[in-house]
Amino acid sequence: GAGVSQSPSNKVTEKGKDVELRCDPISGHTALYWYRQRLGQGLEFLIYFQGNSAPDKSGLPSDRFSAERTGESVSTLTIQRTQQEDSAVYLCASSTAGDLYEQYFGPGTRLTVT
Amino acid sequence: AQSVAQPEDQVNVAEGNPLTVKCTYSVSGNPYLFWYVQYPNRGLQFLLKYITGDNLVKGSYGFEAEFNKSQTSFHLKKPSALVSDSALYFCAVRPTGSARQLTFGSGTQLTVLP
Repeated sequence: GAGVSQSPSNKVTEKGKDVELRCDPISGHTALYWYRQRLGQGLEFLIYFQGNSAPDKSGLPSDRFSAERTGESVSTLTIQRTQQEDSAVYLCASSTAGDLYEQYFGPGTRLTVT
Repeated sequence: AQSVAQPEDQVNVAEGNPLTVKCTYSVSGNPYLFWYVQYPNRGLQFLLKYITGDNLVKGSYGFEAEFNKSQTSFHLKKPSALVSDSALYFCAVRPTGSARQLTFGSGTQLTVLP
């Protein structure tokens, strides 16, 4: 079946502009995660959605970052007033409910802030 | 808070030789442990996980990992490396009973030399 998809695959934006990144999880997956991967580094957790529960926003680095999810489907990550340090690959993952299940990752969106 | 260490940024091995990619972790309670692989310009792919039971876990593409509770390690192994195994490998941990985010190591670049 279809995996996690993300769009756009690449985004170049000027410093100070807002950007919106999209994630389509695997159908039926109730959990959705956003991570950030800076060049040469591991993944940093940003935010986690589980069903209709309040999201865990503990990983968001500043109030310029926000995310929404419509039900158990699409999620958008918004970065306002982008800064050069926001340049990274933004990865989305989804999983079924329960803590035994692995996360399936999308291909990521490479964001470059000039 | 949990953490993961991958002490080697780079591992080189000759094709046909056994390979080991090291991972140690720190977590409160019992861990769920994961290995992911990232090929260039692609998202992370799940390789294997340890949840409970047998300490030797077998996964995709002939990889296996051994959970060692006393040494808090979860090293990834393969008996005979292939050039196509060359990629970036990430170890990740999540506390038992948590369906939340994974904590990732910084990654190990594996290069298999022909």
